[in-house]
Amino acid sequence: EDKVVQSPLSLVVHEGDTVTLNCSYEVTNFRSLLWYKQEKKAPTFLFMLTSSGIEKKSGRLSSILDKKELSSILNITATQTGDSAIYLCAGVTQGGSEKLVFGKGTKLTVNP
Amino acid sequence: SQTIHQWPATLVQPVGSPLSLECTVEGTSNPNLYWYRQAAGRGLQLLFYSVGIGQISSEVPQNLSASRPQDRQFILSSKKLLLSDSGFYLCAWSLAGGSLGTQYFGPGTRLTVL
Repeated sequence: EDKVVQSPLSLVVHEGDTVTLNCSYEVTNFRSLLWYKQEKKAPTFLFMLTSSGIEKKSGRLSSILDKKELSSILNITATQTGDSAIYLCAGVTQGGSEKLVFGKGTKLTVNP
Repeated sequence: SQTIHQWPATLVQPVGSPLSLECTVEGTSNPNLYWYRQAAGRGLQLLFYSVGIGQISSEVPQNLSASRPQDRQFILSSKKLLLSDSGFYLCAWSLAGGSLGTQYFGPGTRLTVL
């Protein structure tokens, strides 16, 4: 059975801290790995990763995939209160229609 | 640019009542469409997906059904709601045959069954 496991499940930090969120996956016919940020409503897309070792970066957020270890990390530097959210990781299976297998998410709280 | 709409935003329904949630996508043709449910403390669970009009695949057996009467319209229905149907329902779309699986989500419907 396909599964994605995220850790930690929750994290509380202070503004300015750097955080690393972890995602491990066991997904048949793996195609890509996605990161989303979910605040109060819909998840918003952050990164799509397909190749090992290539970092994707957007401002203070960055992510990298390790296909050998079947894992990915999401780094956030100089955290701000606006980074408080649930961060979701999803593995994409290749098929007639790509399907996403989501982890349960990491709830990040950034305190001022 | 593409936009995805869902309505209603919130819904409170009694057990045993019917359900109809609607999702529409603008700005793209022949998208893949998806219905997810997110229960409290759990991840997103894929319920249905569709690769074209009238083509529905079910991922989880349950008392819900889905239909795609038009290219960019996706409907989630139930004849009789159960308490366990409560949750946050999200519709998503992706480009058919491309985007390496990236899906974009609508604003969601929060359903409470009492």
